[in-house]
Amino acid sequence: QKEVEQNSGPLSVPEGAIASLNCTYSDRGSQSFFWYRQYSGKSPELIMFIYSNGDKEDGRFTAQLNKASQYVSLLIRDSQPSDSATYLCAVKGRAGNTGKLIFGQGTTLQVKP
Amino acid sequence: DAGVIQSPRHEVTEMGQEVTLRCKPISGHNSLFWYRQTMMRGLELLIYFNNNVPIDDSGMPEDRFSAKMPNASFSTLKIQPSEPRDSAVYFCASTPQGGITGELFFGEGSRLTVL
Repeated sequence: QKEVEQNSGPLSVPEGAIASLNCTYSDRGSQSFFWYRQYSGKSPELIMFIYSNGDKEDGRFTAQLNKASQYVSLLIRDSQPSDSATYLCAVKGRAGNTGKLIFGQGTTLQVKP
Repeated sequence: DAGVIQSPRHEVTEMGQEVTLRCKPISGHNSLFWYRQTMMRGLELLIYFNNNVPIDDSGMPEDRFSAKMPNASFSTLKIQPSEPRDSAVYFCASTPQGGITGELFFGEGSRLTVL
């Protein structure tokens, strides 16, 4: 079992729709969770991080965390063609291993005009 | 401020040759990470350093790979001898405060092709 799992996609949504990206992780002691966006041929960039159960909203983006289910998601409202990219879920391990960030394979999102 | 700087951006070499990738982290950042990205395996952590000291090298695939950080502003990842399966994009990333914030600042990557 991979430490961080995502569906590779592609996930295709029409412009203006809500895109829902999902991620599960295996280490129940994981402390913090991140979503990175990576455009083709570019390096990953941080979109959001979340530490506590529940929802965290930032503009059109909402991160959701459920530690009991070991599940984290990213919702993108009013999707735009410029949101088309690969979205990487990343998990940081237990305390004491503060620097180690493990990434999922990424989900490719296509937003069609 | 300058971001993480990696060189070379592209490297094409033949099997068996030595490859050295270089990274300059953001000034003031004291954690440095080397990742490898392929279509098949995604973004894999190879090794990371805190305050120039290697903390976890469990992701280094085999003895052909080695990494050093002689000072706070420079790190190298060396592959000797290189093999075609090493073809990938290698990213260097840095973060301040020992990685507490979790945000990694990535360089633009070094695309390695081993023929």
